[in-house]
Amino acid sequence: SAVISQKPSRDICQRGTSLTIQCQVDSQVTMMFWYRQQPGQSLTLIATANQGSEATYESGFVIDKFPISRPNLTFSTLTVSNMSPEDSSIYLCSVETDSTYEQYFGPGTRLTVT
Amino acid sequence: QKEVEQDPGPLSVPEGAIVSLNCTYSNSAFQYFMWYRQYSRKGPELLMYTYSSGNKEDGRFTAQVDKSSKYISLFIRDSQPSDSATYLCAMRKVTGRRALTFGSGTRLQVQP
Repeated sequence: SAVISQKPSRDICQRGTSLTIQCQVDSQVTMMFWYRQQPGQSLTLIATANQGSEATYESGFVIDKFPISRPNLTFSTLTVSNMSPEDSSIYLCSVETDSTYEQYFGPGTRLTVT
Repeated sequence: QKEVEQDPGPLSVPEGAIVSLNCTYSNSAFQYFMWYRQYSRKGPELLMYTYSSGNKEDGRFTAQVDKSSKYISLFIRDSQPSDSATYLCAMRKVTGRRALTFGSGTRLQVQP
């Protein structure tokens, strides 16, 4: 398995500002993912972040709005830029273990934009 | 049409009942199937992980995959109030896109 932590756990931000979310995993993994979950909804993939390469974004998500860094095999950040109230959501980091290909999730970051 | 369909519920059962949760999917390339449990204000927790068709049992939980029908199930025996949560099915292909495709989740309430 993998133990994942995220910071911050929650934040309230003003429109037009940016927030960087950190994801730390307790073991080295190749594949990391960032998802968004609207209240009462399922998970939507934002991007896949592999160490050593550019993140791959899903349709509807762009790098200028959601820049991602993946500096090593245990850490990643997602920035939500120029926020609007529509960005209010839960942002989840996920990893796929290299040995078993199981995917585990962090506790999430609950973002409210006012 | 969504690739993965899941009844959102809510599903309410008495304590001790057998719970059946289901998903159907349309993409025959899906080979890995997972069930996650998500408590309110928490991240999804991996419950079951299966590859291709067949059954897998872990304690009170049994996962079934029927690839011919494109249908997966999660059974919970002797359900407990602590099982009250949203259950998400997820799946992915063997090659290509490694991220998961999720169902919409089924909210389960186990009444004491």
